[in-house]
Amino acid sequence: ETGVTQSPTHLIKTRGQQVTLRCSSQSGHNTVSWYQQALGQGPQFIFQYYREEENGRGNFPPRFSGLQFPNYSSELNVNALELDDSALYLCASQNRDYYNEQFFGPGTRLTVL
Amino acid sequence: GENVEQHPSTLSVQEGDSAVIKCTYSDSASNYFPWYKQELGKGPQLIIDIRSNVGEKKDQRIAVTLNKTAKHFSLHITETQPEDSAVYFCAASIEYSSASKIIFGSGTRLSIRP
Repeated sequence: ETGVTQSPTHLIKTRGQQVTLRCSSQSGHNTVSWYQQALGQGPQFIFQYYREEENGRGNFPPRFSGLQFPNYSSELNVNALELDDSALYLCASQNRDYYNEQFFGPGTRLTVL
Repeated sequence: GENVEQHPSTLSVQEGDSAVIKCTYSDSASNYFPWYKQELGKGPQLIIDIRSNVGEKKDQRIAVTLNKTAKHFSLHITETQPEDSAVYFCAASIEYSSASKIIFGSGTRLSIRP
């Protein structure tokens, strides 16, 4: 186990709704990255938070937003949910002051109906 | 843009035989190449990584090779065991850049036949 936890494990929403996913990073880590993994595909980078600031973003629209808290835990918020948002959402933590290895949590499975 | 291609998409090998997964990357600035194993219902688990200043790295039954000129890197698993069955992802990243995002390949589903 990596020490990275995510909640909830599963979630079902309807189109147009909003969702918040949570991630607790491994002790000693100051960076959290979020990834979207559609079924049968590799994870795709959404954005990264380093010391509470957004530190890079992939090709995702502004309705995907996030936060990082002083304890380095993080939230991913998705507004105006679309059917294509159905996926496994993964967070990964690291201490990027020292090394590049990212450690993944188990993910949150989001289904949009 | 940045891209990592991975093949094969599925691979079935006899227990005890070797498995090889190959990847290519597009961004010549990439300098960190992790490999992840993902089991059903779990997040990706880092199994081995290599940096661009070395050409090969080994850890017990797992080895990775990197050819920077050709932008190719490979994962080799020897003496495969049933617990090696999983989906494997190669990935590329630019270490110490402003955002250390990881670009993943599309995955290889490895099945070990008893």
